[in-house]
Amino acid sequence: GQQLNQSPQSMFIQEGEDVSMNCTSSSIFNTWLWYKQDPGEGPVLLIALYKAGELTSNGRLTAQFGITRKDSFLNISASIPSDVGIYFCAGRSNTGKLIFGQGTTLQVKP
Amino acid sequence: NAGVTQTPKFQVLKTGQSMTLQCAQDMNHEYMSWYRQDPGMGLRLIHYSVGAGITDQGEVPNGYNVSRSTTEDFPLRLLSAAPSQTSVYFCASSWGISWDEQYFGPGTRLTVT
Repeated sequence: GQQLNQSPQSMFIQEGEDVSMNCTSSSIFNTWLWYKQDPGEGPVLLIALYKAGELTSNGRLTAQFGITRKDSFLNISASIPSDVGIYFCAGRSNTGKLIFGQGTTLQVKP
Repeated sequence: NAGVTQTPKFQVLKTGQSMTLQCAQDMNHEYMSWYRQDPGMGLRLIHYSVGAGITDQGEVPNGYNVSRSTTEDFPLRLLSAAPSQTSVYFCASSWGISWDEQYFGPGTRLTVT
C-alpha cells in the first residue's frame, strides 16, 4: 500500500531555532496536510496544501507541496516551548483516504 | 459543542476480553473514522463510515468491528482482545471523506495484558 516516510523521527532544539521536517512518498498525492499533536491530545490540522508547488504559511509555520506531488515540507521559524509535540504529515490519494507519516517528535529547550 | 468525545480515556484488558470504545460527535458530521497510533507507525485507519448505516474497512481492520446506527455515534468493538491491540485509539469526524478539517477526539489508551 501507499506509505509516507517522514523525517526526522525526532528533534531536540534550542528555543529560537528554526525547524525543518519533510515527508516523501513513492506515490502521488492530491492533497498534503500537516497536523500537530500535543501530549495526551488528538492531532489538530495546521496547514492544508492542494496544488503542486504551493507554499502556505500559518503564523510561524510554512509548508510546501512538492512540485513532483510526492513530497511536502514543514518549516517552523523561531521555535518556542509550546511548539513541543508530534508533527504528522498526511497525504490524500484519489480514493479520498488519508495516509499518515510516522511523525516527528519535537522538543524545545528553553 | 463538545466536539468529538471518546470514552474511556484509559483501559486495561486481559487477553480474550471484549470491550467497546465509545465515540460521539455533536457536529452533525457525516464522516467518522477510527485510527490507532503506535510508536513509529503514525496513525493507521481501522474502520470508517461515510454516514449512518454505512461502514467500511481501513488499513488495519482485523480484530475490530464497527457499526453506525446514528450520525452521532461510532463505537469500536474488540471482540477478543490481543496484546497486539495495545495502542492509543483516536476517533475522528468531518463533513465528508475528503474534507480536510478532521476533528480528532482526545484518544483512548488501551493496554492488553
